[in-house]
Amino acid sequence: SYVLTQPPSVSVAPGQTARITCGGNNIGDKSVHWYQQKPGQAPVLVVYDDSDRPSGIPERFSGSNSGNTATLTISRVEAGDEADFYCQVWDSSSDHHAVFGGGTQLTVL
Amino acid sequence: EVQLLESGGGLVQPGGSLRLSCAASGFTFSTYGMTWVRQAPGKGLEWVSGLSGSGGSTYYADSVKGRFTISRDNSKNTLYLQMNSLRAEDTAVYYCAKASGNSGIEAFHIWGQGTMVTVSS
Repeated sequence: SYVLTQPPSVSVAPGQTARITCGGNNIGDKSVHWYQQKPGQAPVLVVYDDSDRPSGIPERFSGSNSGNTATLTISRVEAGDEADFYCQVWDSSSDHHAVFGGGTQLTVL
Repeated sequence: EVQLLESGGGLVQPGGSLRLSCAASGFTFSTYGMTWVRQAPGKGLEWVSGLSGSGGSTYYADSVKGRFTISRDNSKNTLYLQMNSLRAEDTAVYYCAKASGNSGIEAFHIWGQGTMVTVSS
């Protein structure tokens, strides 16, 4: 089965840029989606299809995907960005299965 | 406004059954795939099952295949998850989510607030 690997934690100071990676075999050939989950809340889609943003998501959130790594970039990080972030793809190698990464906890110092 | 409201969670004994519902509003329900995602206490997200807008295509995680059944009633704008032979490891918050397209194998654009399922004796 397809595996997505994320760093357990990323820390960044306010105003700086946070980069959260998602590793997978030839992930560049797949569409990657990113979700933000704050404590006690449901996840929220922040980037879909590698680099598109849903309406209402700040331009500070961006994504890229190439080779074996997809990256969520959060520019000018704010205290309110602190959350868990999950990457997700669909693995259609045999049947269709959605796969989530293990999640990355973003801490704003 | 797009809204998803889950219900049906609760405490059930191992080996028991439970049916979750997800009432949708604010969009043309039949034209979007839907999915269930769960989150065990203190753990990450785990995809459970999904289906297309018509319900004609269904998808299951290996961990629930043969025990869980996903379905939808487009006349009632409602998604279901029938869970049988429940195990302790099925304990989690269950979220329903709306896919961005009809097939169901897209991003999950809108999520409900979740319903808790506890499997314990």
